[in-house]
Amino acid sequence: EIVLTQSPGTLSLSPGERVTLSCRASQSVSGRQLAWYQQKPGQAPRLLFHGASSRATGIPDRFSGSGSGTDFTLTISRLEPEDFAVYYCQQYSRSYTFGQGTRLEIK
Amino acid sequence: QVQLVQSGAEVKKPGASVKVSCKASGYTFANYYIHWVRQAPGLGLEWMGIINCGGGDTTYSQKFQDRLTMTRDTPTGTVYMELSSLRSEDTAVYYCAREVALGVGAMSFWGQGTLVTVSS
Repeated sequence: EIVLTQSPGTLSLSPGERVTLSCRASQSVSGRQLAWYQQKPGQAPRLLFHGASSRATGIPDRFSGSGSGTDFTLTISRLEPEDFAVYYCQQYSRSYTFGQGTRLEIK
Repeated sequence: QVQLVQSGAEVKKPGASVKVSCKASGYTFANYYIHWVRQAPGLGLEWMGIINCGGGDTTYSQKFQDRLTMTRDTPTGTVYMELSSLRSEDTAVYYCAREVALGVGAMSFWGQGTLVTVSS
């Protein structure tokens, strides 16, 4: 099983700041088969990226995804109030697993 | 527009089974796979399994292999997830989610979630 480790666990930031979230895999994720999701309280997750960097429909371009192999990142260039949420990575290279999530909270 | 509508909340006793439905609309049902993902209170997302809505074949997480069954009803465009031998740790919100495209295992459309509470 590919284990995904996200860091940090929690981030406290202010609107307008730039943030980079990390997702590290225990084995190489072939074909960059990694997705990112955003989840707000009481809501289903929302797909942000698949294929590590392919933005899903309707996702603002302040969000960007990158990486390959075992190291992937999600960057938000300038935080908006609605971006404070929990973010999950997920691999679909070998079966399917999620990271434990990174909580982004308002400072 | 693509929609996945799940059945309502359930309360079950330990040892019982629960069957949750997920009705798909707005696309060609048989052309996509649907996943089931659960989320225990305050915790992260956990992948449970996947069903090919065309052929009906399934793959389950090893964790649930012994007590999870996924089926589909093509005429109604509905997928079902049945979990047996329930225990308190199975208390969670259960989501169905459709893949972005055939063979792309990222999940672009999600149901609203179904809360299953296991309590004596």
